[in-house]
Amino acid sequence: GAVVSQHPSRVICKSGTSVKIECRSLDFQATTMFWYRQFPKQSLMLMATSNEGSKATYEQGVEKDKFLINHASLTLSTLTVTSAHPEDSSFYICSARVLGNYEQYFGPGTRLTVT
Amino acid sequence: GENVEQHPSTLSVQEGDSAVIKCTYSDSASNYFPWYKQELGKRPQLIIDIRSNVGEKKDQRIAVTLNKTAKHFSLHITETQPEDSAVYFCAASSGGGADGLTFGKGTHLIIQP
Repeated sequence: GAVVSQHPSRVICKSGTSVKIECRSLDFQATTMFWYRQFPKQSLMLMATSNEGSKATYEQGVEKDKFLINHASLTLSTLTVTSAHPEDSSFYICSARVLGNYEQYFGPGTRLTVT
Repeated sequence: GENVEQHPSTLSVQEGDSAVIKCTYSDSASNYFPWYKQELGKRPQLIIDIRSNVGEKKDQRIAVTLNKTAKHFSLHITETQPEDSAVYFCAASSGGGADGLTFGKGTHLIIQP
């Protein structure tokens, strides 16, 4: 149980285009989903927290107009990177949490490369 | 906001020996401290976690200790094996897990055969 999927696993896009990444909880309802970014050989950094039906809360320094997060249902959250640039190339990982539980369940990540 | 420091950045131990990784945190409101193992290109894998109302937790070869007063927590791996080689991250969050995780910078653990 507690499986989280992400799609796509890898994506290459041209500079200036937008990319949407999906995060799904497959066998549970996730009241909260988190989005993290990880640059090569670095740690994970929290980008934003989203609760179903509410606007996402972004961490300081993360542009909410560039990284659009939608959490329309208890099993799906999406991250859209708008007007992508090469410096947005990174490993994007989502996680999901059930209300009342401490543990976060991580997705497999999406490798974004912007050319 | 929370700040998590992790040491060492690289740790090399002989197979069969013990490994200890230490972390400190800054926010006294943090109450959940998980440890993750991450292999290259993969998702973080939870290996053990501890809540602020507990001082120590053990699961077979892995143990975590928490000192709330000093704001530090440590991961202990005994009888290390080659498959323990990976990058390990400590993390902290508050709100009973409702808040996102703040990660340490990671420790590259190398098990020498």
